[in-house]
Amino acid sequence: DIQMTQSPSSLSASVGDRVSISCRASQSISSYVSWYQQTPGKAPNLLIFGASSLQSGVPSRFSGSGSGTDFSLTISSLQPEDFATYYCQQSYSSPTTFGQGTRLEIK
Amino acid sequence: EVHLVESGGGLVQPGRSLRLSCAGSGFTFDGYAMHWVRQPPGKGLEWVSGISWNGDGIGYADSVKGRFTISRDNAKNSLFLQMNNLRADDMAFYYCAKDRGMSLWFGEPFDSWGQGTLVTVAS
Repeated sequence: DIQMTQSPSSLSASVGDRVSISCRASQSISSYVSWYQQTPGKAPNLLIFGASSLQSGVPSRFSGSGSGTDFSLTISSLQPEDFATYYCQQSYSSPTTFGQGTRLEIK
Repeated sequence: EVHLVESGGGLVQPGRSLRLSCAGSGFTFDGYAMHWVRQPPGKGLEWVSGISWNGDGIGYADSVKGRFTISRDNAKNSLFLQMNNLRADDMAFYYCAKDRGMSLWFGEPFDSWGQGTLVTVAS
C-alpha cells in the first residue's frame, strides 16, 4: 500500500496567516492527490482534487500543488472557519490511502 | 444537492454482525461508484470498501476482507455494508462517500460524504 505522510501533525496559526501543509507519498503517484477538511463532529469535505483543482464551492484562498511524491495544501489568508483537521488522500492505486491528518489550531 | 444518510450503527458484541445502510438522494445514484470510510473516534480516516456504479467492481481493505461485504441497490438508491465477525478494532464512525466517477479505479476523489454512523464493538 502507498503510505501518505503529512507534516506537520499539528500547526498553530493566527487569522490572516498564510499556512502550508505538506504530504509525501511513499512512491510516485502522479497528481492523484486530494485534500479534505474536517471540523469536529462533521464529515470530511473535499477541497482539492487532482493535486491542484479546486472543488466547486471551495473558497479560492485554498490551493494545492505538487506532483510525483511531494504535495502541499496552502491557505493564503486563514479565516476563523479554517481551523480544522486536514487530510491528504492518494487515489493512484488501490487501496486508496489517507495521510494521518494535520490539526490546524488557533494561536 | 447531494444527500447521503447512513443508518444501522450501534452497540454490538465481538464476533457478532451488523448491517449498515446509506440512502442517497439529490444525484443519479447509479452513475457513481460509492465507498465506505471509517474513522475511530479521535483518529484518522481509513478506506474500508468501494463498489463501482453497477456493482461489477468491488474492493476491500485487507483489514476487513473476508468479514465485510459491500453491496448496492440502485433501484432504491442505497448502499450497504454487511459486517460479520466484528472486532474491537472495527469500532469507528462509518461514513458513506460518493465517488466523483463511475469506476473504482479511475483515481477520482470522494466528493460527498454522509454524516456517519457509529459502530461500537464491546461486550
